Amino acid sequence: GDSVTQMEGPVTLSEEAFLTINCTYTATGYPSLFWYVQYPGEGLQLLLKATKADDKGSNKGFEATYRKETTSFHLEKGSVQVSDSAVYFCALSGGIFGKGTRLHILP
Amino acid sequence: GAVVSQHPSRVICKSGTSVKIECRSLDFQATTMFWYRQFPKQSLMLMATSNEGSKATYEQGVEKDKFLINHASLTLSTLTVTSAHPEDSSFYICSAPGVTGNQETQYFGPGTRLLVL
Repeated sequence: GDSVTQMEGPVTLSEEAFLTINCTYTATGYPSLFWYVQYPGEGLQLLLKATKADDKGSNKGFEATYRKETTSFHLEKGSVQVSDSAVYFCALSGGIFGKGTRLHILP
Repeated sequence: GAVVSQHPSRVICKSGTSVKIECRSLDFQATTMFWYRQFPKQSLMLMATSNEGSKATYEQGVEKDKFLINHASLTLSTLTVTSAHPEDSSFYICSAPGVTGNQETQYFGPGTRLLVL
């Protein structure tokens, strides 16, 4: 069945460092791909999405490109901030989620 | 590992009826659970935060009288869609926070697909 694999956390970076959180998927058909972010004590919020191959989703400095050939949707940000500290989930449409990656940014 | 179940997995009902969806944490306690809905190919939309022993917190634009949430115990939260209409047809997912390894995460239920005729 469909599945999502994302890199395990926690990931600890210094402020202004470059971020990559890897996400790969297995799916039949052509799902939409999502990244969600969860801040402590809150529910998931949509961070960005891509609905077809080669689409790039972007929001708040984060980007991810739908790569059909490598079945990947890696999340990147050029310069992270302390406020980016949260748990990030990669997901397919249909309610298939990765296990989440905790990101901790040091000032 | 931790598991969250939902029941039913699929329900078809007539317009005007009420539908109850259960979300259970099977081997851990959850004082908080989250309810989401998802339309085809669209992202999750957080509907509400369910709190054991107190009232749920609803997101802006979500009708609390329409979507009744009861967190009856540390392992069960229910979402009741009252007087359902076709526009309520959607995929409803719950989740509960937990810890795996040394990081916090969310455990997601498998979802409930609601079709209102």
